[in-house]
Amino acid sequence: AQKVTQAQTEISVVEKEDVTLDCVYETRDTTYYLFWYKQPPSGELVFLIRRNSFDEQNEISGRYSWNFQKSTSSFNFTITASQVVDSAVYFCALQYNFNKFYFGSGTKLNVKP
Amino acid sequence: SAVISQKPSRDICQRGTSLTIQCQVDSQVTMMFWYRQQPGQSLTLIATANQGSEATYESGFVIDKFPISRPNLTFSTLTVSNMSPEDSSIYLCSVGSSLWGEQYFGPGTRLTVT
Repeated sequence: AQKVTQAQTEISVVEKEDVTLDCVYETRDTTYYLFWYKQPPSGELVFLIRRNSFDEQNEISGRYSWNFQKSTSSFNFTITASQVVDSAVYFCALQYNFNKFYFGSGTKLNVKP
Repeated sequence: SAVISQKPSRDICQRGTSLTIQCQVDSQVTMMFWYRQQPGQSLTLIATANQGSEATYESGFVIDKFPISRPNLTFSTLTVSNMSPEDSSIYLCSVGSSLWGEQYFGPGTRLTVT
């Protein structure tokens, strides 16, 4: 069975602080993809990153970085120097069986000025 | 990435009625999916919309309640039938161009059932 756990329900930080969103997944599949999506108050899901199970290289995109560790089944997301516009709900998701997605419960990030 | 639109963007409906939600993509896509996001909750896959054949439903979702059509490679509809307040959710359409490919999501339809 597939499972994605985002233990942090809600996080509040002050602008310019760094923040890490945790994601732990479970799957017996050897081939899978991991995703992060952002859902701002408008409701639309914004794709942030996709990582396949064979690529453990960390990735940095501007203020965003992702740390994928298969040994701990984690795919954590760090925002450096957070901004108010980063306030949103962030979902980690596992893609398995070619095109099925299992979403975590989401972490609501509040960035205060 | 594909541009996806959904209609309506939001609606308030009375219990016992039905609502059909449309999903339009600006390019032909292989796969289309429908998700439900209940208030404050995560996304749950309802079904895969198959072109030219019946949709494939996930456990807990049935065709009588959520009939789906997909007449071509750019369009799909989801109907929420005989609605109850428990159906109040955001319904999202997503599309993918290939197996293991990225999926993109539409803006969602916010449904409130009174």
